[in-house]
Amino acid sequence: KNEVEQSPQNLTAQEGEFITINCSYSVGISALHWLQQHPGGGIVSLFMLSSGKKKHGRLIATINIQEKHSSLHITASHPRDSAVYICAVRRGGSQGNLIFGKGTKLSVKP
Amino acid sequence: AAGVIQSPRHLIKEKRETATLKCYPIPRHDTVYWYQQGPGQDPQFLISFYEKMQSDKGSIPDRFSAQQFSDYHSELNMSSLELGDSALYFCASSTPRGSNEQFFGPGTRLTVL
Repeated sequence: KNEVEQSPQNLTAQEGEFITINCSYSVGISALHWLQQHPGGGIVSLFMLSSGKKKHGRLIATINIQEKHSSLHITASHPRDSAVYICAVRRGGSQGNLIFGKGTKLSVKP
Repeated sequence: AAGVIQSPRHLIKEKRETATLKCYPIPRHDTVYWYQQGPGQDPQFLISFYEKMQSDKGSIPDRFSAQQFSDYHSELNMSSLELGDSALYFCASSTPRGSNEQFFGPGTRLTVL
């Protein structure tokens, strides 16, 4: 079983829809990252969370440490949001390297 | 703002050749991480450095080695390349030692023929 599980694996939405991507992990962590990877391959860090909730523009990330679960929400989705969204965790006490989920491929149709 | 720089962006090599990938972290970042992402795979941690010393080691093959230099840039050296080494290699940097957010470079796409 993977230490970081994401769902869904693939998601297709219509422009304007509210989107939720979920991440569950089975290890103790010191931080959780949400990353965005576009077809060209580059990875962009969206959020780093250790508790609570963060918001940046149309993106909201939440984490529940007790339940070992995080969600990434996209409000008013747009075709340019189409990308792979990756949840990655830094194991508690580790030297900082990340353990990645398999990613959620999001396609937003106009 | 300055980002993580990786070079080259694309590299094509033959089997059994060697390759050197370079990573230039964000200024004042002292920690560098290397990750390998195979086709259709999630990234896997290879190795990391803090203040020019190896700080952690992941699934890095013995054929690979890496180091961090005095200016904090890092190089990943890959020898006896195999077809399975074809992947996207990411470098990320952070500061201070692993406690802050990691910023990723654009990656080097290595193709082994």
